[in-house]
Amino acid sequence: EAGVAQSPRYKIIEKRQSVAFWCNPISGHATLYWYQQILGQGPKLLIQFQNNGVVDDSQLPKDRFSAERLKGVDSTLKIQPAKLEDSAVYLCASSLGFTGAYEQYFGPGTRLTVT
Amino acid sequence: GQQLNQSPQSMFIQEGEDVSMNCTSSSIFNTWLWYKQDPGEGPVLLIALYKAGELTSNGRLTAQFGITRKDSFLNISASIPSDVGIYFCAGQLGGSQGNLIFGKGTKLSVKP
Repeated sequence: EAGVAQSPRYKIIEKRQSVAFWCNPISGHATLYWYQQILGQGPKLLIQFQNNGVVDDSQLPKDRFSAERLKGVDSTLKIQPAKLEDSAVYLCASSLGFTGAYEQYFGPGTRLTVT
Repeated sequence: GQQLNQSPQSMFIQEGEDVSMNCTSSSIFNTWLWYKQDPGEGPVLLIALYKAGELTSNGRLTAQFGITRKDSFLNISASIPSDVGIYFCAGQLGGSQGNLIFGKGTKLSVKP
């Protein structure tokens, strides 16, 4: 079974530029998550989708971050404009999404450096 | 926001030693998960725990869901060099739609 795919793996941009990340979850997984992991910290949830609907985006900085999952499969996360403090690894995870099966499986992440 | 206290922050291991780490919280969790993260990779799920008091093993790894539902423990027996990495606990609050709250990690390194 293929795992969670993410691209690109690395991205370097200047502050105030925009950037987009892509995620393809494990086949059949209804729930998709985007996390931000700052160096030395555990992942922090940004947004959760159930199929193509947003379940939780309470920690997403909506003035600059946006995410979509149009057909309930792939998802993109965008930052516009980027700030220095956005430098982090952005992780995508997916799960089956029903009670008792909340185990989340992570992709390799995209390491973003904002200069 | 909710916080998980994970300890120790870091530890050095010698091959063959047993290793223990734990996570505590002031909140009650419905699920505890343990992940391992290698440099440049995403976290990999090691063990999932669903019931208070549950003890689950995965090879040399054993994890327990604390009876108070506010803590969890991970033990690694007879450590080997490939056990090096960062271990994260993650807890899931009841009614949280599956959202995970992560600890800050325990970094395992090899003794020089």
